Amino acid sequence: ETGVTQTPRHLVMGMTNKKSLKCEQHLGHNAMYWYKQSAKKPLELMFVYNFKEQTENNSVPSRFSPECPNSSHLFLHLHTLQPEDSALYLCASSQDLSAVNEKLFFGSGTQLSVL
Amino acid sequence: GEDVEQSLFLSVREGDSSVINCTYTDSSSTYLYWYKQEPGAGLQLLTYIFSNMDMKQDQRLTVLLNKKDKHLSLRIADTQTGDSAIYFCAERNTGRRALTFGSGTRLQVQP
Repeated sequence: ETGVTQTPRHLVMGMTNKKSLKCEQHLGHNAMYWYKQSAKKPLELMFVYNFKEQTENNSVPSRFSPECPNSSHLFLHLHTLQPEDSALYLCASSQDLSAVNEKLFFGSGTQLSVL
Repeated sequence: GEDVEQSLFLSVREGDSSVINCTYTDSSSTYLYWYKQEPGAGLQLLTYIFSNMDMKQDQRLTVLLNKKDKHLSLRIADTQTGDSAIYFCAERNTGRRALTFGSGTRLQVQP
């Protein structure tokens, strides 16, 4: 399998549930990202990891907790979410953050619905 | 902060040219990108332009950059139904370590 793979593709959860989103890349990249896509709004950067170290947290609420155990895997742990957190969550990877021309490769996303 | 703005929707007829526009605010942008998102898929890089260029052509795609006005456009010649998708503009500047995206323009191609 190649590219960036996200699981699950769809997730419905209640506000009191705890769930995790998973992302895996097979491109040999060292930087990984979580983006949030909501209708009619700019794609919103959430977290950035470079060589497993978190380099950016874009003022994301603590109910979203990222984890990057190695350069190939990225998780987003979710707990006590709100209905406004319903969105498409996209994972992406790139070679690393030192590249001047940063080309991102995206997964297909997890469509999250919070009831 | 940095902003990237795009119109939300564009409808064209098959065979016509499509022009998708984008404006950005950060004058230190180094690279500007166009990504395409097809239904049920993630974003895919279409093309990019370095900030010291004013035009780049790649088959049916032409990117125009007006750095003075901070305006970027993507022209698709001979638009096909398979071009129907959401097109995102993004910029990278020297100060920020990740791309800033717009809200995307949904292109609808009518037969």
